[in-house]
Amino acid sequence: QKEVEQNSGPLSVPEGAIASLNCTYSDRGSQSFFWYRQYSGKSPELIMFIYSNGDKEDGRFTAQLNKASQYVSLLIRDSQPSDSATYLCAVIFPGSARQLTFGSGTQLTVLP
Amino acid sequence: SQTIHQWPATLVQPVGSPLSLECTVEGTSNPNLYWYRQAAGRGLQLLFYSVGIGQISSEVPQNLSASRPQDRQFILSSKKLLLSDSGFYLCAWTPTDRLETQYFGPGTRLLVL
Repeated sequence: QKEVEQNSGPLSVPEGAIASLNCTYSDRGSQSFFWYRQYSGKSPELIMFIYSNGDKEDGRFTAQLNKASQYVSLLIRDSQPSDSATYLCAVIFPGSARQLTFGSGTQLTVLP
Repeated sequence: SQTIHQWPATLVQPVGSPLSLECTVEGTSNPNLYWYRQAAGRGLQLLFYSVGIGQISSEVPQNLSASRPQDRQFILSSKKLLLSDSGFYLCAWTPTDRLETQYFGPGTRLLVL
């Protein structure tokens, strides 16, 4: 069964701290991983994608992938109140014709 | 640049009424197109996807249908809405050179009463 698991939260961090969001997936053969941010009442927007083991950095965001342990994480450095949103992890499973399977999301609140 | 439009933005419909939601993409050709539904407090559920005009794949059997009459137009329909059809309907597209990367439209919020 194709599953993407995320802690629903809510996760609260103080402004300026590092927020760490985690995601696990069920198929070790998965190759493509995505993080989306969704503000309340809005549609998801793509933040980052990662295909290779290790870290990928983009501004204040870092995606980390560990295929052996089947987890992918998103770190947000210097968190701002504007980062308060639900973060969705998505995975393309093998044999899925490039379809994304989404986790249910983690709600992040950055406290000023 | 590419943009994706959805309308209407919000819709309130009685049970048993028909539905038609429209999605159009500008600035690209032959995109893959997707319809998702997000129920309150839940994740995204893929409903349909299309790789070309007239080509529709259904992921979840239900009382909804989809059509792609033009290259950049994707329509979600129902003949008779159910209460359980309420939710946030999202259209997404992928560029032809990056088929794994999906971008979402602004969404349609549907409330069935």
